[in-house]
Amino acid sequence: NAGVMQNPRHLVRRRGQEARLRCSPMKGHSHVYWYRQLPEEGLKFMVYLQKENIIDESGMPKERFSAEFPKEGPSILRIQQVVRGDSAAYFCASSPLRGGNTEAFFGQGTRLTVV
Amino acid sequence: SQQGEEDPQALSIQEGENATMNCSYKTSINNLQWYRQNSGRGLVHLILIRSNEREKHSGRLRVTLDTSKKSSSLLITASRAADTASYFCATDGVGETSGSRLTFGEGTQLTVNP
Repeated sequence: NAGVMQNPRHLVRRRGQEARLRCSPMKGHSHVYWYRQLPEEGLKFMVYLQKENIIDESGMPKERFSAEFPKEGPSILRIQQVVRGDSAAYFCASSPLRGGNTEAFFGQGTRLTVV
Repeated sequence: SQQGEEDPQALSIQEGENATMNCSYKTSINNLQWYRQNSGRGLVHLILIRSNEREKHSGRLRVTLDTSKKSSSLLITASRAADTASYFCATDGVGETSGSRLTFGEGTQLTVNP
């Protein structure tokens, strides 16, 4: 049973371009969470999704950021018109149950660098 | 201060010594979890302690939870160089919406010197 798979591991984008980050949850997990980690800081919650539904997006910036978890395929975190401040590590986690009621399994992250 | 704060921010010890890290939080929780993150890597789950539990053990790890003080501690006994990493506590809140996410502290950077 493969763990949470994120790709790419590293992504470099120029200012104004779009970044698409992918996350395949563990098999059997229908709950996906995205977190952002700035250097030397802890993880900050962005969005919680179940298949085809956004459950909690209270941590998502209002503009340029969007997330989806389609019926088929990975969850996608999309950042439009990236700016230098978007440079961070983006982690995806999945769990079989909701929220903190059970262990969340994290992927290795995607490190986004905006130049 | 914010939910899930760890102290100390950095801890340097010798191999074989014990390492204690503390975490404080502000709101009511269902559970508290500890994670480890090696430099440049993802998070590895260490242990989950529920709000009705006071202490939990897993191998060389001992976690305590004091809900009256809204604090938790992580003790690593007989530390090894391989324990060098950042350690984060994460809490989930009580409630329909807040229970869906984990709130992480800023982490404690542990260095175990050989």
